Amino acid sequence: GQSLEQPSEVTAVEGAIVQINCTYQTSGFYGLSWYQQHDGGAPTFLSYNALDGLEETGRFSSFLSRSDSYGYLLLQELQMKDSASYFCAVRESGQAGTALIFGKGTTLSVSS
Amino acid sequence: DAGVTQSPTHLIKTRGQQVTLRCSPISGHKSVSWYQQVLGQGPQFIFQYYEKEERGRGNFPDRFSARQFPNYSSELNVNALLLGDSALYLCASSLVGGEDQPQHFGDGTRLSIL
Repeated sequence: GQSLEQPSEVTAVEGAIVQINCTYQTSGFYGLSWYQQHDGGAPTFLSYNALDGLEETGRFSSFLSRSDSYGYLLLQELQMKDSASYFCAVRESGQAGTALIFGKGTTLSVSS
Repeated sequence: DAGVTQSPTHLIKTRGQQVTLRCSPISGHKSVSWYQQVLGQGPQFIFQYYEKEERGRGNFPDRFSARQFPNYSSELNVNALLLGDSALYLCASSLVGGEDQPQHFGDGTRLSIL
């Protein structure tokens, strides 16, 4: 089967940098995605890494190491609005298309 | 442009009843996926449809079924509801069915079983 591990909670203050790690076990790997979900809201796509390395999009960056089955999401210049749950996800093995397996999520709390 | 829309937003049912949830994808998106999210967990994949055909099925009992219509909207049906079916049901659409396609989620239908 496939599984993803990520910390359950992370706390930080405004302006800080935080890193949310994700390790995965899959029978076939096609890429690592990250989603953000505010309380009561829809998950929102943040990034996708298929190859090793760092992808940067504004204040958010995502990193992947396929050899280590590891990735992380880096959030810089934290703002209060970044308080949310963050999920890493991989494609479900054997399924065509975009069926995703999600981790249990990391709750990020940003304080002033 | 409108995002993914789901209806209803909230629903209360009793055990044994049946429910139908509806989803309209973003205009031009041909792939629709359904997920179940229980409190404190990540979304769990139920079904994916692409061009009106089932492309994937998660580990859910046969009480769960879905279909996609010619206009690419979709319905999720759950029969013989159990207390454990209480959850947020999310619909997501993407342009095509490729794994690198970001999924765009709707706000979900919150289903409560009494």
